[in-house]
Amino acid sequence: NAGVTQTPKFQVLKTGQSMTLQCAQDMNHEYMSWYRQDPGMGLRLIHYSVGAGITDQGEVPNGYNVSRSTTEDFPLRLLSAAPSQTSVYFCASSYRGPRNTEAFFGQGTRLTVV
Amino acid sequence: QQPVQSPQAVILREGEDAVINCSSSKALYSVHWYRQKHGEAPVFLMILLKGGEQKGHDKISASFNEKKQQSSLYLTASQLSYSGTYFCGTAEATDSWGKLQFGAGTQVVVTP
Repeated sequence: NAGVTQTPKFQVLKTGQSMTLQCAQDMNHEYMSWYRQDPGMGLRLIHYSVGAGITDQGEVPNGYNVSRSTTEDFPLRLLSAAPSQTSVYFCASSYRGPRNTEAFFGQGTRLTVV
Repeated sequence: QQPVQSPQAVILREGEDAVINCSSSKALYSVHWYRQKHGEAPVFLMILLKGGEQKGHDKISASFNEKKQQSSLYLTASQLSYSGTYFCGTAEATDSWGKLQFGAGTQVVVTP
């Protein structure tokens, strides 16, 4: 059971380039989210999804797009990379139970924009 | 608005106790606690639900005071393995998991 898998683990982009961060989970979880983690700021929510075909914005959505065509996959697209998007990105998933449940995190993608 | 965690950092000797606090200005349904080791993903510790429930995980326990919208994480008889950064995440409704808001974290260093 792989859990939540993120690719790539590391990426360097030039300003203005676009790319997609991949996230896949094999636990049949309904909820999936993307967070970015910057020093001293904890985890900030970028976008989240409550199921296939349904997405919504979090605290810091500007410059990012998401889509969710399947339960398993939730890619994050950077449209035109900027140095301010240098960060560590985490994808997380959770089972939709009667109450809030545990989040499982991927290993993260460390992105540097130069 | 992100919840506020305190202290920002704490250094302990093995066997000592510590308390990490998490407070929010909003009415909360649940508080989640995670620990992250350097270079790794956050790992779930426990969830505290509205109702003042107290939970435990090994010698780590937590409480949730819904009147004050505060949660505290208690590290008892700390072990070297407790080192890491602890985050609280807060949710305002039963189905708002996807909208968890995390505090800035508390770095815990346990020394021999």
